[in-house]
Amino acid sequence: DAGVTQSPTHLIKTRGQHVTLRCSPISGHKSVSWYQQVLGQGPQFIFQYYEKEERGRGNFPDRFSARQFPNYSSELNVNALLLGDSALYLCASSLQNSGNTIYFGEGSWLTVV
Amino acid sequence: GEDVEQSLFLSVREGDSSVINCTYTDSSSTYLYWYKQEPGAGLQLLTYIFSNMDMKQDQRLTVLLNKKDKHLSLRIADTQTGDSAIYFCAEKWDNQGGKLIFGQGTELSVKP
Repeated sequence: DAGVTQSPTHLIKTRGQHVTLRCSPISGHKSVSWYQQVLGQGPQFIFQYYEKEERGRGNFPDRFSARQFPNYSSELNVNALLLGDSALYLCASSLQNSGNTIYFGEGSWLTVV
Repeated sequence: GEDVEQSLFLSVREGDSSVINCTYTDSSSTYLYWYKQEPGAGLQLLTYIFSNMDMKQDQRLTVLLNKKDKHLSLRIADTQTGDSAIYFCAEKWDNQGGKLIFGQGTELSVKP
């Protein structure tokens, strides 16, 4: 069975541009979360979605948004990119809302120049 | 606050045991986790423990939880060079959709 899959794996954007990152959870998992990991630090929570509704939001500006689709896949959107948005963006899935077994994907490496 | 604290570095010899320590913040956290991250990769779930447990063992991994002191540890027996990685502990906050609060990570270096 496939794990959590994310795309693209690497991308380079220019300041001010917009980016969309995609995530497919493990089959049967209905909850998806997004995390940002800046180099040298632990991941920071951005959003959690369950059954297409936002269930949690971290301390990130409104430039960050996300959504979950009927097939439980998810997109993370970041507008007006800043150099400080350069990071590894990780998607995690679990079976249910606040599920106990939480699996992460390999992440999307975003570089903003 | 949201500070989960870990020591930054640990160096051990191959075959020795490694113990990675973590202190967390929220006594109401229901689950605590250990993840492994190799260079350039995502997070691999190693194990997790329910907050009502004191200990959990899974092959070479032993997790100890002292809820009174909010202290979590991960012991890796017979450490191998393939165990070299960054290890993150995390606590789950159920009141915010089950978000995980991570520590800064402990870099484990295993010398042959």
